[in-house]
Amino acid sequence: DTGVSQDPRHKITKRGQNVTFRCDPISEHNRLYWYRQTLGQGPEFLTYFQNEAQLEKSRLLSDRFSAERPKGSFSTLEIQRTEQGDSAMYLCASSLGTGPYGYTFGSGTRLTVV
Amino acid sequence: KNEVEQSPQNLTAQEGEFITINCSYSVGISALHWLQQHPGGGIVSLFMLSSGKKKHGRLIATINIQEKHSSLHITASHPRDSAVYICAVMGNNDMRFGAGTRLTVKP
Repeated sequence: DTGVSQDPRHKITKRGQNVTFRCDPISEHNRLYWYRQTLGQGPEFLTYFQNEAQLEKSRLLSDRFSAERPKGSFSTLEIQRTEQGDSAMYLCASSLGTGPYGYTFGSGTRLTVV
Repeated sequence: KNEVEQSPQNLTAQEGEFITINCSYSVGISALHWLQQHPGGGIVSLFMLSSGKKKHGRLIATINIQEKHSSLHITASHPRDSAVYICAVMGNNDMRFGAGTRLTVKP
């Protein structure tokens, strides 16, 4: 296990379709985070999990967004009825615990809604 | 006002120049990260600081907790240093990010 993996790397979808992204964290990391990054901006927090529990959700995460981490390992982020404004890079990161522990980021999934 | 402010937004330098990127934050933190993001989007963590100073090769990062300020320095800059550098602060549960500084180093 050499890092955080995200799949797919790129996704082009038509407006109104549903999409699902997957993140595989570093195996011993108990925390997993989802971020969204639009062009020219820093990442914005969406949600995070400690093990399988989703502990915090940003108000940016509308009802169309749902995230799961069913067994405390990989996580999925689903966007229903995609809109053009959902076009962004979706980044996943994982860490062990809180405080001054290192984060490891995945390479991201770039979503384009046409 | 954003919780994490970076300056400058864009920076162009000649190869060999000394580079400084600044980060100020307004929230309590447990740690501060400097991240490097290349055009493909992948993010690499350069440093994680909770106090003082860290050095790795040509990169130096400092933090002043009292002043809520951090700086990233690059000595003897090289075109391969061209990237977006992002300051991120770690609060209780998540990270808050600056908008990034786009650095271009010309040969």
